[in-house]
Amino acid sequence: DAKTTHPPSMDCAEGRAANLPCNHSTISGNEYVYWYRQIHSQGPQYIIHGLKNNETNEMASLIITEDRKSSTLILPHATLRDTAVYYCIVRVYNYGQNFVFGPGTRLSVLP
Amino acid sequence: DGGITQSPKYLFRKEGQNVTLSCEQNLNHDAMYWYRQDPGQGLRLIYYSQIVNDFQKGDIAEGYSVSREKKESFPLTVTSAQKNPTAFYLCASRKTEQGSFRGYTFGSGTRLTVV
Repeated sequence: DAKTTHPPSMDCAEGRAANLPCNHSTISGNEYVYWYRQIHSQGPQYIIHGLKNNETNEMASLIITEDRKSSTLILPHATLRDTAVYYCIVRVYNYGQNFVFGPGTRLSVLP
Repeated sequence: DGGITQSPKYLFRKEGQNVTLSCEQNLNHDAMYWYRQDPGQGLRLIYYSQIVNDFQKGDIAEGYSVSREKKESFPLTVTSAQKNPTAFYLCASRKTEQGSFRGYTFGSGTRLTVV
């Protein structure tokens, strides 16, 4: 399994873009990058996933470097409701093995 | 709307008592999972089930038991053998078939406090 590393915590001003980095230097060619977030006392929520191209949906954008060794989750206009723990997970897409949710990055959006 | 439901949201039990946490999903997902989360920590896998009538131990199965008699249901029993049962428990499910999106759908969790 490719392991991921990311900062334990980050702050972001409300209305600004939040850029959450994730390093996955041992990622293999068939492993996808998934992002989830967990708001306090709730279950984790899926945000986005990608293989090598940049991806965007209604929640966020995912930028994956050309060598795929790192990625950045971008919340374009952070709100107070985006305060949560964000998990970056690397896993083969079509393989049934379980996801591993580590400690994540705690994002605090400040007014 | 389809989803995954955990009940109750808060549960209090006396030490030494077994307690069962409910998890039901109507997403037609094959696989179901139980995780435990302690304050400031990530999620640790307790048990998972890929198919009805079959389940496997996760990383911290000791003191817990599960059953999977129906596709929709995956109850977790916290037994008196679990030394430190107070925690936040999360149930999840996902599809396992080839070609489908295999992301997890989580329930809203049960916070168990043992006094």
